Amino acid sequence: EPEVTQTPSHQVTQMGQEVILRCVPISNHLYFYWYRQILGQKVEFLVSFYNNEISEKSEIFDDQFSVERPDGSNFTLKIRSTKLEDSAMYFCASSAREGNQPQHFGDGTRLSIL
Amino acid sequence: GENVEQHPSTLSVQEGDSAVIKCTYSDSASNYFPWYKQELGKRPQLIIDIRSNVGEKKDQRIAVTLNKTAKHFSLHITETQPEDSAVYFCAAGSNAGGTSYGKLTFGQGTILTVHP
Repeated sequence: EPEVTQTPSHQVTQMGQEVILRCVPISNHLYFYWYRQILGQKVEFLVSFYNNEISEKSEIFDDQFSVERPDGSNFTLKIRSTKLEDSAMYFCASSAREGNQPQHFGDGTRLSIL
Repeated sequence: GENVEQHPSTLSVQEGDSAVIKCTYSDSASNYFPWYKQELGKRPQLIIDIRSNVGEKKDQRIAVTLNKTAKHFSLHITETQPEDSAVYFCAAGSNAGGTSYGKLTFGQGTILTVHP
């Protein structure tokens, strides 16, 4: 069964540094998402991406965050200047061509800001 | 925006018993309700979903019911097994397109423990 893959599995970064989290969505999917989960808390929506542009973003997704689909397979989340409170598990998800389709999650990247 | 409340936060049952987790949502535009199972340190895994044009859906030991009028939906697990132990999240979403592109709003999660 096709899967969403994410790299790295764990990223440790100094506060103030830039970090890029990478995702390879399922190949025939067209909707892409980033979510985050602070330890012990619920999953929170960050951003959705369709047709090479952001379609919706949450209040969490401020100017420090950006997303990009640099080629036909990768989908990246960049945090420009990391803060301690950015420490969380970041999940990428993708869904098929039509709305209301199941979102399949990757294994996540655990981001630790020191 | 959408708000999803989930109860209980923890649920402990004996193997073989049934488990029920309940969620309420606030936005009447929501029309897609998935349930995810998350084991410690792993990805949320979709276990069942329901769309607003049906009231109930079943897949083996798992069923979901939806009451659109009351804006609540529930997960039912019958004949629970120790391997069902995990955190379960409900979520609400709406059609991609228009003003929404499938964003999911999650509940706070339920820690289910099934004792052998």
